[in-house]
Amino acid sequence: AQSVTQLGSHVSVSEGALVLLRCNYSSSVPPYLFWYVQYPNQGLQLLLKYTTGATLVKGINGFEAEFKKSETSFHLTKPSAHMSDAAEYFCAVSDRDDKIIFGKGTRLHILP
Amino acid sequence: GAGVSQSPSNKVTEKGKDVELRCDPISGHTALYWYRQRLGQGLEFLIYFQGNSAPDKSGLPSDRFSAERTGESVSTLTIQRTQQEDSAVYLCASSLIEGTNTEAFFGQGTRLTVV
Repeated sequence: AQSVTQLGSHVSVSEGALVLLRCNYSSSVPPYLFWYVQYPNQGLQLLLKYTTGATLVKGINGFEAEFKKSETSFHLTKPSAHMSDAAEYFCAVSDRDDKIIFGKGTRLHILP
Repeated sequence: GAGVSQSPSNKVTEKGKDVELRCDPISGHTALYWYRQRLGQGLEFLIYFQGNSAPDKSGLPSDRFSAERTGESVSTLTIQRTQQEDSAVYLCASSLIEGTNTEAFFGQGTRLTVV
């Protein structure tokens, strides 16, 4: 069965600094991988996804993630943090036609 | 519809009462999920419906929880004899499961408070 581990329930970065949110997965087949974002008092929305093809995936708001099969990782990055990036971020995995399983989430804090 | 719709948006109930939460998925989406999100916590998988397959109920926390789905449309999540630990936001999501279009689209959730 697939599973997701997000390292760090809280991450703080200074405005303008690099954002790195870590995600490792386990899956018995080549996975589909997702990052979702939940802004305060809002619903979850898709940030980006990896299904096939290019392993570096670009999403909304300047975020990107790279699928590294050898490391079973799908870390989320953004070169320069903005105050509006403060939110909860969830990594998720699915075994293609199976259900999507979410990690426990990482709350990103942006320091002025 | 244009998005996943959940009702009610808020529900306050007395301990021991039964509650029903409703989810209207995006039209044409064959897969439907229910998740629970406790305050400050992550997403806890509850149940998954996919087409005509038997639902995956592996995430339901107790036999007080049940869910039904009519065809590929509306789903209801029922919690019997509610307890205070059931207080949470219950999120519904739907997805297409067609090729690489498998991402889940979420509703705004139902905030359940058991007093």
